[in-house]
Amino acid sequence: DQQVKQNSPSLSVQEGRISILNCDYTNSMFDYFLWYKKYPAEGPTFLISISSIKDKNEDGRFTVFLNKSAKHLSLHIVPSQPGDSAVYFCAARGGNEKLTFGTGTRLTIIP
Amino acid sequence: DAGVIQSPRHEVTEMGQEVTLRCKPISGHNSLFWYRQTMMRGLELLIYFNNNVPIDDSGMPEDRFSAKMPNASFSTLKIQPSEPRDSAVYFCASSSGTSGMHEQFFGPGTRLTVL
Repeated sequence: DQQVKQNSPSLSVQEGRISILNCDYTNSMFDYFLWYKKYPAEGPTFLISISSIKDKNEDGRFTVFLNKSAKHLSLHIVPSQPGDSAVYFCAARGGNEKLTFGTGTRLTIIP
Repeated sequence: DAGVIQSPRHEVTEMGQEVTLRCKPISGHNSLFWYRQTMMRGLELLIYFNNNVPIDDSGMPEDRFSAKMPNASFSTLKIQPSEPRDSAVYFCASSSGTSGMHEQFFGPGTRLTVL
């Protein structure tokens, strides 16, 4: 039972445009959401997070939006840069330290 | 800070052999996590420790898998006997567990191939 879903395995975006990565979840008890970025042969690195009491969090070019009623969150990257090409994982926390991850979306930025 | 350290980075073994993966968490972090990454299932949590005590091992696939954390600076994940379906990248992560800080820091991973 996949509680966190990233339905798009891959996404290609032109450099300079906006990249939008989506994530859906089923467990209403999740109280904190995170995005991780992963380059090949490296471990995932933390990118940005949002608490369930907020609907938006912004950090530079990265913004995460949370729609609790739809159980949906998205990561916006603008403008997209070639260095943003990576696999992005959505993760959710359910009251303890355990994180549940999605299967990831491979983002390719086209120069 | 050296970050989370994992060894070996790559392991190739034959079916039936014992495999031991090692992890050194970030100094001062009191929670440690073992994950497995596969194409089909993404990142799956296998087990996590808090203050060296296993808290949740519900993700451990079967009895062939075991994990220990004898002290705050070292953990092992053992597979005995190994099978080809265990081939994956295994990540170790640690966190400080500080209230409000939920970020986990990942090591570079161990790529395991079981022939």
